[in-house]
Amino acid sequence: AQSVTQLDSQVPVFEEAPVELRCNYSSSVSVYLFWYVQYPNQGLQLLLKYLSGSTLVKGINGFEAEFNKSQTSFHLRKPSVHISDTAEYFCAVSGDNFNKFYFGSGTKLNVKP
Amino acid sequence: GAVVSQHPSWVICKSGTSVKIECRSLDFQATTMFWYRQFPKQSLMLMATSNEGSKATYEQGVEKDKFLINHASLTLSTLTVTSAHPEDSSFYICSAKSHGVNTEAFFGQGTRLTVV
Repeated sequence: AQSVTQLDSQVPVFEEAPVELRCNYSSSVSVYLFWYVQYPNQGLQLLLKYLSGSTLVKGINGFEAEFNKSQTSFHLRKPSVHISDTAEYFCAVSGDNFNKFYFGSGTKLNVKP
Repeated sequence: GAVVSQHPSWVICKSGTSVKIECRSLDFQATTMFWYRQFPKQSLMLMATSNEGSKATYEQGVEKDKFLINHASLTLSTLTVTSAHPEDSSFYICSAKSHGVNTEAFFGQGTRLTVV
């Protein structure tokens, strides 16, 4: 079975400050890892994904994440956030066949001026 | 990446009526489609998986007679919420993937359903 834990339900941060959104997963098989962003009343937009290769993954809007197999983590980072980054962020895992995504409970990032 | 489109983006319906949500893969053949539901302030939960030409497989606790899923072609799956009630108000998102062992799944933009 697979599961995803996002410990922080809300993260307030000031504009231009760095941010890290935490994601831990559990799985008995190899996984693919994803971060999605959801703006209010909109669908999911893929930020980045780890399928294989380099453990440091760069995505859109200046976000990056690092896959750490030993710690079963896939934390999302951005060195300097903008007001426009205010949204909810979901970490997700999927198995080898991409047949099912398991989502974390989401982290609301609130960027303050 | 590939494009998956949902229609409508939002819909308001009266209690007791049925509403149909479409999920289309625009530039690839989606042999498998998935329907997720997002409750307010919660994460997304898989409702069902449908393979083209076959009956959908529902997750535990999802009423198959209430949430009718049809995947009649390689580019279209529909979710019909029958006899909708206010508690069915939610955000419904589909994803689609093409044939193959490790082909990636792509998500639609979601449909906001409000039952009044």
